[in-house]
Amino acid sequence: AQKVTQAQTEISVVEKEDVTLDCVYETRDTTYYLFWYKQPPSGELVFLIRRNSFDEQNEISGRYSWNFQKSTSSFNFTITASQVVDSAVYFCALSDSSGNTPLVFGKGTRLSVIA
Amino acid sequence: EAQVTQNPRYLITVTGKKLTVTCSQNMNHEYMSWYRQDPGLGLRQIYYSMNVEVTDKGDVPEGYKVSRKEKRNFPLILESPSPNQTSLYFCASSFDWGGLAPDTQYFGPGTRLTVL
Repeated sequence: AQKVTQAQTEISVVEKEDVTLDCVYETRDTTYYLFWYKQPPSGELVFLIRRNSFDEQNEISGRYSWNFQKSTSSFNFTITASQVVDSAVYFCALSDSSGNTPLVFGKGTRLSVIA
Repeated sequence: EAQVTQNPRYLITVTGKKLTVTCSQNMNHEYMSWYRQDPGLGLRQIYYSMNVEVTDKGDVPEGYKVSRKEKRNFPLILESPSPNQTSLYFCASSFDWGGLAPDTQYFGPGTRLTVL
């Protein structure tokens, strides 16, 4: 069975600090897809990134970066120079390769960035 | 603007009173899905649909029904709501690449349902 673990329930950082959100996944599939979503206080779910299991290159998008390591089954998310607007709940999710199967979500990490 | 819309955004109802939450997308997506979000449990899938007239159960389908008569719409029906269905509900949609790979699911704004 597929499983996503986000061990950090809540994290608080001071503005401009870097912060890493951990995501560990379990799957028997050799081909799978990983996602990160952001849920700001307004409640909507905002897509951040999609990564397939064959692409282990790290990705950087502005202040956001993602570190995918198959050896440790992890897909960690780092925010550099955090800002108050980064305060949100962040979800990591996993899907296998057989079409649009359900996204399996982690329980989320609540990030609070304090000014 | 490409989007997934849900109505209503907020609903307070009583046990046993049938309700429908509508979901519509304007992106011509084949795949649509309903999730519920509960504190400490994250998001769990209720039902999904691969295309018109094709629906299937997700992880927590009990107490819910869906239909997919048109590609753009995927309503969630609670025939006899109960307090344990109090939750935040999200509809999502994505392209279906014929089973080759899951596309990114885009989510609606959410519907906060309270069943008294």
